[in-house]
Amino acid sequence: NAGVTQTPKFRVLKTGQSMTLLCAQDMNHEYMYWYRQDPGMGLRLIHYSVGEGTTAKGEVPDGYNVSRLKKQNFLLGLESAAPSQTSVYFCASSRDWGETQYFGPGTRLLVL
Amino acid sequence: GDSVTQMEGPVTLSEEAFLTINCTYTATGYPSLFWYVQYPGEGLQLLLKATKADDKGSNKGFEATYRKETTSFHLEKGSVQVSDSAVYFCALMAQNTGNQFYFGTGTSLTVIP
Repeated sequence: NAGVTQTPKFRVLKTGQSMTLLCAQDMNHEYMYWYRQDPGMGLRLIHYSVGEGTTAKGEVPDGYNVSRLKKQNFLLGLESAAPSQTSVYFCASSRDWGETQYFGPGTRLLVL
Repeated sequence: GDSVTQMEGPVTLSEEAFLTINCTYTATGYPSLFWYVQYPGEGLQLLLKATKADDKGSNKGFEATYRKETTSFHLEKGSVQVSDSAVYFCALMAQNTGNQFYFGTGTSLTVIP
């Protein structure tokens, strides 16, 4: 049972490049989340999904897009990366809203 | 707005020392409170939780009591081990914002033999 996995673990981008972060969960959870973590700040919610085919904005959605084409996958896209998006990105899933969230190991992104 | 404040790190302790990591919160209504732990190279894992005032969450020798009068949820362990070295996150789930989670900044703990 892998739980929540994230790909890639680490990536370096140049300003203006695009990339997609992949999150996969094998627990049949309806809810999935993307957070970012920056030094001196807690985890902040970027986008979330309440089920296949749905997405919603969180606290800091600007500059990101997401898609949930399959229940088990939640993709986070950066169309034109900026240095301000240098961060550690965590994906999480839960069975229902407000229930325990299960986290992936994180993706460290550096934008130069 | 709702928020969580936890003590700055890093914290370094000797094995078998007593651990306290402070966490205070600001919220309207009656939030649920959580401690998550992140071991090196892994994702966050739920360590313990409390859903109402005076509840005590406990797991793996760690404890935290939901204190409404002091708006606190401090994490304690009587005797830490090297394997407890990790980053600890305090979090709350706020009812008034549809059960959204708010996380603290994390406290890094290193236990030395």
